[in-house]
Amino acid sequence: QQQVKQSPQSLIVQKGGISIINCAYENTAFDYFPWYQQFPGKGPALLIAIRPDVSEKKEGRFTISFNKSAKQFSLHIMDSQPGDSATYFCAGNYQLIWGAGTKLIIKP
Amino acid sequence: DGGITQSPKYLFRKEGQNVTLSCEQNLNHDAMYWYRQDPGQGLRLIYYSQIVNDFQKGDIAEGYSVSREKKESFPLTVTSAQKNPTAFYLCASSIWGQDPGELFFGEGSRLTVL
Repeated sequence: QQQVKQSPQSLIVQKGGISIINCAYENTAFDYFPWYQQFPGKGPALLIAIRPDVSEKKEGRFTISFNKSAKQFSLHIMDSQPGDSATYFCAGNYQLIWGAGTKLIIKP
Repeated sequence: DGGITQSPKYLFRKEGQNVTLSCEQNLNHDAMYWYRQDPGQGLRLIYYSQIVNDFQKGDIAEGYSVSREKKESFPLTVTSAQKNPTAFYLCASSIWGQDPGELFFGEGSRLTVL
C-alpha cells in the first residue's frame, strides 16, 4: 500500500527557532506535495504546497524543500512563533493518503 | 461566505445505532471527501466522490456508507457494523479533473459511541 511517512511525531522549538518537519513518499507518480496545518478542534488548512518541477518554494516564514531523488519533502518554519503551535500533515496521491502528523509546540 | 459546513459538531450514539453526518459545500467543487481522524494519527480516507451519483471507497470504508445525490451534499452514515466508530470525522471538497489542488475542510464532527 502506498504510504507517506512523516517525522518527527512531535517537536518542541524555542520561539524564534527553526522548525523542520519531514515527509517521505514511495510512489513516484505523486505530483503534488502539500503541507496542512491543523489547530485543535478544527479541520486542516493548506499551508503551502509544491509541485515536482521545483526544488523549493517559500511563502513568508514557511518553506518547502523537495528532493525528488530521495523521494522526500520537508517543511521549514523560520522564526517560529507560539501561534505556529499546531499539528502539521503532509499528504500524497491527490491527498488521498496522509502522514501521521507532527505536533509542533513553540515555547515562548 | 463560501465553505464547508458539517453538522452536528458533536454527536453521541448508542451501540447498534446508525448515525448520519451532514456535509454541505457552496464552493461549487466537484469532488468531496470523508476522512476519519483518531488521536495521534493522520487522516484516513473513508470515501470520496468526484461527481454526482458516483463515489469510491477509501482505505477504511467498511461500516460506512455515503450518497452523492447533489453536488453540494455528501452525507456519511456510520452504521452499526462499524466496530470502533468513536472518532473525529472531517469532510472536505476540492476541484477535480485538473492538477491536484487544495482541499477545503469543514470543522469536523466528533462522534462518541456510548
